[in-house]
Amino acid sequence: AQSVTQLDSQVPVFEEAPVELRCNYSSSVSVYLFWYVQYPNQGLQLLLKYLSGSTLVESINGFEAEFNKSQTSFHLRKPSVHISDTAEYFCAVSDNAGGTSYGKLTFGQGTILTVHP
Amino acid sequence: DVKVTQSSRYLVKRTGEKVFLECVQDMDHENMFWYRQDPGLGLRLIYFSYDVKMKEKGDIPEGYSVSREKKERFSLILESASTNQTSMYLCASVRRGRYNEQFFGPGTRLTVL
Repeated sequence: AQSVTQLDSQVPVFEEAPVELRCNYSSSVSVYLFWYVQYPNQGLQLLLKYLSGSTLVESINGFEAEFNKSQTSFHLRKPSVHISDTAEYFCAVSDNAGGTSYGKLTFGQGTILTVHP
Repeated sequence: DVKVTQSSRYLVKRTGEKVFLECVQDMDHENMFWYRQDPGLGLRLIYFSYDVKMKEKGDIPEGYSVSREKKERFSLILESASTNQTSMYLCASVRRGRYNEQFFGPGTRLTVL
């Protein structure tokens, strides 16, 4: 069984400040890791993902996350946030079993990022 | 682009009513999912389907059932709605394989009075 813990339920920051949203997971097998974002009144969108290879992954809008296997973490960072980054962010994990996969994800509780002017 | 649509954005029903939530995807994905989203609890999996007429229970299936008669359509059914089923319901689909990137619909906010 897998589980995901997002350590902060709400993170308020000022515009142009750096931010880190924390995510820890537990799993007995190798995993894939994801960050999804949900803007107000919308469904979830994939922000970035770690499948294999480089442990640092980046999104097109300036977010990055680093997979740390020893600490079982996948924290999301952005060096300078914008008002438009205000949203709820979800960390998710799935196992990377070979062959046919059901594509099941286990989600964290979500972190609401609020960027203030 | 993958498109996942849900039949209603907002729905208000009375306790005891039978409720149908519909989800349609247009990318020929094999796997489809229903989640409910509640503040502080994240997304919890209700049911998923990996093929037509095939389904498996998720983490919180009690009080729900599903139907998948066609590949593109996955329905969530509340047999007798209760107030504790007031929630946001999200549908997702994914192409079967190793990478598990799910695509989500906009959600249906259901209120049971």
